[in-house]
Amino acid sequence: GIQVEQSPPDLILQEGANSTLRCNFSDSVNNLQWFHQNPWGQLINLFYIPSGTKQNGRLSATTVATERYSLLYISSSQTTDSGVYFCAVRWGGSQGNLIFGKGTKLSVKP
Amino acid sequence: EADIYQTPRYLVIGTGKKITLECSQTMGHDKMYWYQQDPGMELHLIHYSYGVNSTEKGDLSSESTVSRIRTEHFPLTLESARPSHTSQYLCASSPHWGERLPLHFGNGTRLTVT
Repeated sequence: GIQVEQSPPDLILQEGANSTLRCNFSDSVNNLQWFHQNPWGQLINLFYIPSGTKQNGRLSATTVATERYSLLYISSSQTTDSGVYFCAVRWGGSQGNLIFGKGTKLSVKP
Repeated sequence: EADIYQTPRYLVIGTGKKITLECSQTMGHDKMYWYQQDPGMELHLIHYSYGVNSTEKGDLSSESTVSRIRTEHFPLTLESARPSHTSQYLCASSPHWGERLPLHFGNGTRLTVT
């Protein structure tokens, strides 16, 4: 099956710093989503981005489908950005189901 | 964002009890999903449904069962809860089973079996 690898697994930032999270996938995908899971376990949909670039406030994402990776950029990080960031893909071999990476755990210190 | 609701938000229950986790969505989505997530780990698909009277097992084997009698409702049942079932359960839906459309998640049920 498809492999979804996220890096780094853990990231500690000082408030105000910028960061880049990476998601590599091993096969062509039909859909890619980035999620933020907050400390209470709620999963928040950040981006639906099978290709191209999108921006939402301090967050932006880029997916280069031909090279099988996606990047999530966080600028001017805040303590409320802490949590786990998941990349998830849908591909032809999964009946359209989302396959999740293991996540990047981000801690933003004040 | 789709409106998808899970109840209860937290549940602590003793071993051997039967439990049902509720999931409802108000957007008329055809496809619904249950994911299981242990603390600090990735999500694993345990059940999904293409529509009414359709249920399929996911990638991770689970002792739970599901039903889909109505489009908007996708409950998950454990006949006899065990401590190994302690986990977070997340429900999701998508507009139809087109593979290019995003999934929308509920807030999850955090289950603890003592």
